[in-house]
Amino acid sequence: AQSVTQPDIHITVSEGASLELRCNYSYGATPYLFWYVQSPGQGLQLLLKYFSGDTLVQGIKGFEAEFKRSQSSFNLRKPSVHWSDAAEYFCAVAVDNYGQNFVFGPGTRLSVLP
Amino acid sequence: DTEVTQTPKHLVMGMTNKKSLKCEQHMGHRAMYWYKQKAKKPPELMFVYSYEKLSINESVPSRFSPECPNSSLLNLHLHALQPEDSALYLCASSQVDREAFFGQGTRLTVV
Repeated sequence: AQSVTQPDIHITVSEGASLELRCNYSYGATPYLFWYVQSPGQGLQLLLKYFSGDTLVQGIKGFEAEFKRSQSSFNLRKPSVHWSDAAEYFCAVAVDNYGQNFVFGPGTRLSVLP
Repeated sequence: DTEVTQTPKHLVMGMTNKKSLKCEQHMGHRAMYWYKQKAKKPPELMFVYSYEKLSINESVPSRFSPECPNSSLLNLHLHALQPEDSALYLCASSQVDREAFFGQGTRLTVV
């Protein structure tokens, strides 16, 4: 069965610093890959997605992610973090049933220091 | 319009009650989903409807009963729930083979 790991449970960065959140997946083929962000008590907002093609994808709010097939990774990056980026970040893969079976990683909580 | 609307936002129900959660989207998406999310955990898939037919049921207890009356609406009927069913219930929709858009969720408390 497919699985998603996010090795970092909690990351703290200073405002203005760069950010990288790690995501690794386990699946035989190339799945569809996503990053979502969730503020406390809220729904999930899509940051970016990868289906095929260019392995560096740009998303909203200045985020980008790079798909590396050899490492089964899809890490999320941002060059300069803002205090409003503090939230929970979920990596997700969609496999099977025409991409409808979304599986989420455990999440990484991001704290931002002023 | 990229909005998925869920009602109610909060729901408190007793273990003998029957209630329903509602979800609506007008993006023309043909896949709709129910997820359950416990505190500090990722969302867990419960059900998927594709073209108004149930396509995935992740071994969810029968006290949860999904319904898709038409391509824009998705309901989750609740009956005889347990306190451990208290959670944030998220609805999502997507085009088949595309990213999912999530609603803001219904915070359910079972007392």
